[in-house]
Amino acid sequence: NAGVTQTPKFQVLKTGQSMTLQCAQDMNHEYMSWYRQDPGMGLRLIHYSVGAGITDQGEVPNGYNVSRSTTEDFPLRLLSAAPSQTSVYFCASRTLAAPDTQYFGPGTRLTVL
Amino acid sequence: KQEVTQIPAALSVPEGENLVLNCSFTDSAIYNLQWFRQDPGKGLTSLLLIQSSQREQTSGRLNASLDKSSGRSTLYIAASQPGDSATYLCAVEGAGSYQLTFGKGTKLSVIP
Repeated sequence: NAGVTQTPKFQVLKTGQSMTLQCAQDMNHEYMSWYRQDPGMGLRLIHYSVGAGITDQGEVPNGYNVSRSTTEDFPLRLLSAAPSQTSVYFCASRTLAAPDTQYFGPGTRLTVL
Repeated sequence: KQEVTQIPAALSVPEGENLVLNCSFTDSAIYNLQWFRQDPGKGLTSLLLIQSSQREQTSGRLNASLDKSSGRSTLYIAASQPGDSATYLCAVEGAGSYQLTFGKGTKLSVIP
């Protein structure tokens, strides 16, 4: 199993550009989520999904869109990047069938100039 | 709104020492509490998960305790090693939500 994979590892954008951060998992997990990690702020939940076709907002959803068309994939879209979105982004997944931890991907480091 | 606090923010100890990391949370209506490890530039690795009905969990040199009524958890690391140097994050899962609320972490340095 590859676990949770994220691409790209690094990205530099200019203000106003759009991009999609990719996340995939091969563990057949129902629950997937996106977090951002900023110095002094800890990890904060952006969006999450409990299954294909179902998404919901977390603590800091503004400026981000998500969709979940398959169990495996959960892309995060930045429609018009802003410097405030400079951060490290982590995707995570877990099963809902039993009490379980969340499995995290390696992260995407995004810089918006 | 759930808030999770970790004390201290940073800790430096000589190799071989036993140490305790602290985590507190404001809302006792949790499903579980989890401890993660994060190495620089890497993702999070799960260390221990304590369900709300449990008092502690152990894995090797690690022992985590949970006192839900007082909103506190501790992570005890025995006989620390330089390889234990990392940031340790505490997170609570809200009852019925699947969402994790994280503390800001404790950065541990174990000096050879």
